[in-house]
Amino acid sequence: AQSVTQPDIHITVSEGASLELRCNYSYGATPYLFWYVQSPGQGLQLLLKYFSGDTLVQGIKGFEAEFKRSQSSFNLRKPSVHWSDAAEYFCAVGGTGTASKLTFGTGTRLQVTL
Amino acid sequence: GAVVSQHPSWVICKSGTSVKIECRSLDFQATTMFWYRQFPKQSLMLMATSNEGSKATYEQGVEKDKFLINHASLTLSTLTVTSAHPEDSSFYICSAGGRFSYNEQFFGPGTRLTVL
Repeated sequence: AQSVTQPDIHITVSEGASLELRCNYSYGATPYLFWYVQSPGQGLQLLLKYFSGDTLVQGIKGFEAEFKRSQSSFNLRKPSVHWSDAAEYFCAVGGTGTASKLTFGTGTRLQVTL
Repeated sequence: GAVVSQHPSWVICKSGTSVKIECRSLDFQATTMFWYRQFPKQSLMLMATSNEGSKATYEQGVEKDKFLINHASLTLSTLTVTSAHPEDSSFYICSAGGRFSYNEQFFGPGTRLTVL
């Protein structure tokens, strides 16, 4: 069975500081990995995804993530956080095939202090 | 990018009534649609997967007779919460994928259901 662990429930960073959100996954084959962001009362927006190839993936809003197979991790990073980045972040894993189902982590709530 | 809409965005109903939530893919053909449920400050839990023209596949623990899912066309899926009760109050989110999207799902904005 596939699973995702986001060990940090809540993270607070100062605006301008760097950010790293952790994600560990369990999947029997080659995983397809995603990071989504959700603002309060809103749906999910895709930040970035990894299917294959270069293990460092660039996304929108200045985010990037690195796939490390040996550590079963797909951590999200941003060099300089903006106050507007405050939101809930979800890591998800999916399988092969067209639109296979996703398993989400429990999410990390990011708070940004000014 | 592909756009998915949901209607209504929020709904309040009395206990015992049924509520229908629509999920539409606006600019692509969604061969597969997913329905998720999200409780406050919690993650998304997959309820069911529906393929156009087929019966939905429900996740373990989800009542099929309570959460009726129809995916009659490539652009529309509906979730009907039958005989709703206060414990059904939640945020319901749909997502859609198509042959073109490979393994990516596009999410709707969600529907907030409150059952009184």
